[in-house]
Amino acid sequence: DVKVTQSSRYLVKRTGEKVFLECVQDMDHENMFWYRQDPGLGLRLIYFSYDVKMKEKGDIPEGYSVSREKKERFSLILESASTNQTSMYLCASSFWTSGGANNEQFFGPGTRLTVL
Amino acid sequence: QKEVEQNSGPLSVPEGAIASLNCTYSDRGSQSFFWYRQYSGKSPELIMFIYSNGDKEDGRFTAQLNKASQYVSLLIRDSQPSDSATYLCAVEKGDNAGNMLTFGGGTRLMVKP
Repeated sequence: DVKVTQSSRYLVKRTGEKVFLECVQDMDHENMFWYRQDPGLGLRLIYFSYDVKMKEKGDIPEGYSVSREKKERFSLILESASTNQTSMYLCASSFWTSGGANNEQFFGPGTRLTVL
Repeated sequence: QKEVEQNSGPLSVPEGAIASLNCTYSDRGSQSFFWYRQYSGKSPELIMFIYSNGDKEDGRFTAQLNKASQYVSLLIRDSQPSDSATYLCAVEKGDNAGNMLTFGGGTRLMVKP
């Protein structure tokens, strides 16, 4: 079974703190993704990585950075947390495929981050 | 226009009925289409993948794809209360930019006993 784990289920931080969210997958997937999910806005892609040390901006990268030093681990960093970053954060991973193939993304359990 | 659009619902159907969920997308180059199910408080899980025009059946689920009209739908036959969840339509970006997906906002389905 594919397993994607996230470092925390619930996290409470204060405005201005630096926040690290970690994600680990055990299926040797090339691709890893960070999303945030908000009511009424759905899942939105923050950052994506297709290889170690490679990253691509998603739809809403502002206020976030990422790190991928090892293939199995993808970290999301909030440099200076703000209240509008209160959200559910979901990590996902998948194999890389050419177009038209089933490149299913497997999701972690999510981290509910509250910034006070 | 949103890239992937779904009616947010809730869509309410009686137990045993057919639930029909629809999704339209704007990227004509998209080739891969996914339906994920998300229970409240849980993460999304894949239930159907489709890339060819027409129907694809898997148990009680049928995905339908029409690339000319840019819509993809999901039919759930013999709906059960356990099918009550939010269903997310996801479309692979047409330039296959690293297999990125764009998700719709989801349709909340309620199956009443």
